[in-house]
Amino acid sequence: EVQLVESGGGLVQPGGSQRLSCAASGFTFSNYLMSWVRQAPGKGLEWVANIKQDGSEKYYVDSVKGRFTISRDNAKNSLYLQMNSLRVEDTAVYYCARDRWYYYDNSWRYYGMDVWGQGTTVTVSS
Amino acid sequence: QSALTQPPSASGSPGQSVTISCTGTSSDVGGYNYVSWYQQHPGKAPKLMIYEVSKRPSGVPDRFSGSKSGNTASLTVSGLQAEDEADYYCSSYAGSNRIFGTGTKVTVL
Repeated sequence: EVQLVESGGGLVQPGGSQRLSCAASGFTFSNYLMSWVRQAPGKGLEWVANIKQDGSEKYYVDSVKGRFTISRDNAKNSLYLQMNSLRVEDTAVYYCARDRWYYYDNSWRYYGMDVWGQGTTVTVSS
Repeated sequence: QSALTQPPSASGSPGQSVTISCTGTSSDVGGYNYVSWYQQHPGKAPKLMIYEVSKRPSGVPDRFSGSKSGNTASLTVSGLQAEDEADYYCSSYAGSNRIFGTGTKVTVL
């Protein structure tokens, strides 16, 4: 079964740090670009960051640049999000998602985020 | 990196159709044929319903369809069923980034 399982959420004080993990199973993790997406309480989805298959390229939403770092360990089939200098507005459910491309008719095409974890909750509060 | 604009709510009776719009810019929705739509039930993870503007992943009912004109994409749910009541989010590829819509709550009356 294709599956993503996040962990590492919890309560953290403003200015603190937290590291989220996402364990992948049921597919060849190293073949896929991966993303983190968050959802603040009662709010919509917000893409946070993504990382290429070999970890060579990483991209972030402006609001987390310089504070969050996405990484992966293909040998452990795991994705990570290191969050530093946390703010109250970072409070959210954090999802990891498989950000899939597929090859068709001699070109790569974007499929979308086709596999999601159940999410892990990060609460930033004093 | 502003969110794509969706109406906050939409509704319809069972069997009817509802259409949700998603407006972006020429840098995202208008610039690529990579609009996706996600369904999210309360307390659950999002589920991919449409990719590449109008294509359905395996297992998604053909009651769900997508289209795009210029900087605006649309999702239509035909033959509404009770289980279609959920939040729906559009998303666009935007180069290295991804942008989600503001979300639309669909209510089945």
